[in-house]
Amino acid sequence: DIQMTQSPSTLSAIIGDRVTITCRASQSISTWLAWYQQKPGKAPKLLIHKASTLESGVPSRFSGSGSGTEFTLTISSLQPDDFATYYCLQYNSYSRGAFGQGTKVEVK
Amino acid sequence: EVQLVQSGPEVIKPGESLKISCKGSGYSFTTYWIGWVRQMPGKGLEWMGIMYPGDSDTRYSPSFQGQVTISADNSISTAYLQWSSLKASDTAVYYCARHSSGTLNPNHADYWGQGTLVTVSS
Repeated sequence: DIQMTQSPSTLSAIIGDRVTITCRASQSISTWLAWYQQKPGKAPKLLIHKASTLESGVPSRFSGSGSGTEFTLTISSLQPDDFATYYCLQYNSYSRGAFGQGTKVEVK
Repeated sequence: EVQLVQSGPEVIKPGESLKISCKGSGYSFTTYWIGWVRQMPGKGLEWMGIMYPGDSDTRYSPSFQGQVTISADNSISTAYLQWSSLKASDTAVYYCARHSSGTLNPNHADYWGQGTLVTVSS
C-alpha cells in the first residue's frame, strides 16, 4: 500500500500569512494527488487535483506543486475563510493510506 | 447540477445490520465511480472502498475488506454501504463521493455527499 505522510498536523497562523502544507508518498505517485479543505460538520471540498490543477471556483491564493513523492499545498495569503483542516489524497492506487492524516490550520 | 444525497442519521445497536444510501443526480450515474470514506469522531478521512456502477467493479481497502459491502442500484442511481453486524467502533460519519474514471484507476473525488452519521450504541 502507498502511505501518505502529511505535515504538520497543526499549523498556527494569522491573516495574511503564507502557509505551506506538505504530503509525502511512500513511493512515486506521479502527479496523482488531490487536496481537500474540510470545515467542521461539512463534507470535504476539492481544491486541487493532478497535484497543481486548481478546481474551478477555488481562489487563486491556493496553489499546489510537486510530483513523485513530495507535494505541497500553499496558501499565499491566509484569509479568514481558510481556517479549516486540509487533506491530501493520492489516487495513483487507492489503498488504506490513501489520505494524509490532515493539517488543521488554526488562529495563532 | 451534480448532487449526491445521502440517507439520514442512524442510531443502531451493536450486532445489528445497516444499509445507508447515496443517490446521485445531475450526471450519468453508471459512468462514474462512487467511493466511500469514513470519518470517526474527531479524526481524519479514511478511504473504505469504491465501485463502478457501470460494471460493478468494486475495490476495498484492506482495512474494510470483509467488514462492509458496497453495492448499487443503477435503476434509481443509488449506491449503498452496508454492514451485517455493527460494532461501537463503527460509529462515524460516512461520506460517499463521485470519482471520474482515470486511465488505470479511478480519479480523485470531485463531488461529495453531505455525510451520514452512524451511531452504534446499546
